[in-house]
Amino acid sequence: EVQLVQSGAEVKKPGESLKISCKGSGYSFTSYWIGWVRQMPGKGLEWMGIIYPGDSDTRYSPSFQGQVTISADKSISTAYLQWSSLKASDTAMYYCARVTMVRGVIMAVDYWGQGTLVTVSS
Amino acid sequence: QSALTQPPSASGSPGQSVTISCTGTSSDVGGYNYVSWYQQHPGKAPKLMIYEVSKRPSGVPDRFSGSKSGNTASLTVSGLQAEDEADYYCSSYAGSVVFGGGTKLTVL
Repeated sequence: EVQLVQSGAEVKKPGESLKISCKGSGYSFTSYWIGWVRQMPGKGLEWMGIIYPGDSDTRYSPSFQGQVTISADKSISTAYLQWSSLKASDTAMYYCARVTMVRGVIMAVDYWGQGTLVTVSS
Repeated sequence: QSALTQPPSASGSPGQSVTISCTGTSSDVGGYNYVSWYQQHPGKAPKLMIYEVSKRPSGVPDRFSGSKSGNTASLTVSGLQAEDEADYYCSSYAGSVVFGGGTKLTVL
């Protein structure tokens, strides 16, 4: 059974750093891309970027380039999303998801993690 | 990339059919057959319901169907059931992924 299990909810202050995780199991972690999606309170889904754990090839949505860092450790089948200096506007639910990409085209985003709620407040 | 356009709400009575539209451009929906639909219940993660315009993942009821014409994709839910009440999002490949704003489906 394919599973993506994310780390628990976080409460942080503005300016603090944070790294959340997404551990994959039940499939070959290095054969699929992992994407990250933001959902702000009461709002829709926003694509942040993707990483291929096999070689750490990473691609960011223009809106998130420079704002977050996506990484992965294939030895433990885990992808990460991190911030160096959080802002109140980073308060949101963050989902990781498995992505099928063939010849550079994203064909499907099929399995999703349960989400990690990040709250940034002074 | 601009978000795809979905109606904010849709509704139907149990047993009826409802169709949700998703309008983009020739650079996303119209340009690729990689439109997906997701169902999201309150407090839950999105669930893939349709991919590649009209394909259903294993386990998704055949009451859910997808189609596309030009720059507009559609999700049809037939034989509405109470558990279908949720938010529905479309997405399309467009160099990366672009999502629609979401449609709240209410089962009356």
